[in-house]
Amino acid sequence: SQTIHQWPATLVQPVGSPLSLECTVEGTSNPNLYWYRQAAGRGLQLLFYSVGIGQISSEVPQNLSASRPQDRQFILSSKKLLLSDSGFYLCAWSVNSWKPQHFGDGTRLSIL
Amino acid sequence: SQQGEEDPQALSIQEGENATMNCSYKTSINNLQWYRQNSGRGLVHLILIRSNEREKHSGRLRVTLDTSKKSSSLLITASRAADTASYFCATDAGGAQKLVFGQGTRLTINP
Repeated sequence: SQTIHQWPATLVQPVGSPLSLECTVEGTSNPNLYWYRQAAGRGLQLLFYSVGIGQISSEVPQNLSASRPQDRQFILSSKKLLLSDSGFYLCAWSVNSWKPQHFGDGTRLSIL
Repeated sequence: SQQGEEDPQALSIQEGENATMNCSYKTSINNLQWYRQNSGRGLVHLILIRSNEREKHSGRLRVTLDTSKKSSSLLITASRAADTASYFCATDAGGAQKLVFGQGTRLTINP
């Protein structure tokens, strides 16, 4: 069966520090991969999605970037975190854009 | 703006009652999906309804889709305390390689 791993679960970082969040999927090949951010009590904001290795689509201009160095690995990065980068970050995968998405357990990021 | 908008934003009912949540969207779709999110966790897919379907059932869940009104509803029958969660609709926005999620309905089931 397919599984998705996202880590760390919580992270506290100072303003101006770098960020690297990792997401890996097991049990499937060539998945679509997604990074979302969710503010408290709100819906999901799509940040990046990828339909293949090295193919990244950015949805919102911001302080973040994403990379897909391997088929089942999706990384969210920042060189310098801002206070506004705080939030709940969710990674998800799907077989294709019409199929259900399967989410990781999220990373709670707090910027101090 | 969001493709999907849920209504109401929050709903509180007694255990055993039925809960109905609505979703409206703006553009043509291939399918509409409903997800559930427990506090502090990732989303879990509940049900997918295609644009050529009008109603779909899964256990205590019933989803309807009216493409002429660009709206969908999620009915949870015989609610339980464990149904307390946020519920989101998501649409594929007519073939884009992504889903667009609404703001969600926070459902509270009181024992």
